[in-house]
Amino acid sequence: GDSVTQMEGPVTLSEEAFLTINCTYTATGYPSLFWYVQYPGEGLQLLLKATKADDKGSNKGFEATYRKETTSFHLEKGSVQVSDSAVYFCALTFQGGNYQLIWGAGTKLIIKP
Amino acid sequence: DTAVSQTPKYLVTQMGNDKSIKCEQNLGHDTMYWYKQDSKKFLKIMFSYNNKELIINETVPNRFSPKSPDKAHLNLHINSLELGDSAVYFCASSVGQTYGYTFGSGTRLTVV
Repeated sequence: GDSVTQMEGPVTLSEEAFLTINCTYTATGYPSLFWYVQYPGEGLQLLLKATKADDKGSNKGFEATYRKETTSFHLEKGSVQVSDSAVYFCALTFQGGNYQLIWGAGTKLIIKP
Repeated sequence: DTAVSQTPKYLVTQMGNDKSIKCEQNLGHDTMYWYKQDSKKFLKIMFSYNNKELIINETVPNRFSPKSPDKAHLNLHINSLELGDSAVYFCASSVGQTYGYTFGSGTRLTVV
């Protein structure tokens, strides 16, 4: 079945370090891909998305490129801040389906000053 | 003006009680959802309504019953609460499938 696999956390980095959180997917069709972020004590927020191969989503300094050949949607940021500490979720959905998102398990990111 | 609002934010109750969580969205979205997030942050879809019609009804105990009086509201009623029901419950809404979901801030349910 369709699934999303994220790297296990927690990921601990120092401020201003380069961030990569890996996300790969298994899907029978051509999904839309999303990254959501959950700050402590809050609900999830859409961070960025990409709807077709080679699309790049970007927001708040984060980027992810939809790679169909490697079925990946890795999240990157050039210089992280303490305020980026959160749990990050990768997810996919299909056009014409029942609106359901398939979620990864989440990756906790801890940024130390 | 909160886009997706849930009440209450915290709910502490005894085993065996019945409780409800309310959700309202003012975004004009057609589809609403209930999710359960466990202590390891794993998200599980419970229910989804599209224009008041149930479209996703995952395998959850039948003690959980959703109700959508109109497309802006989706409430969750839980009967005979059990310890294992303790979790954070999130309401969300969406329009179409490529625009993403908007989540509420969650209801932390603790069953003692």
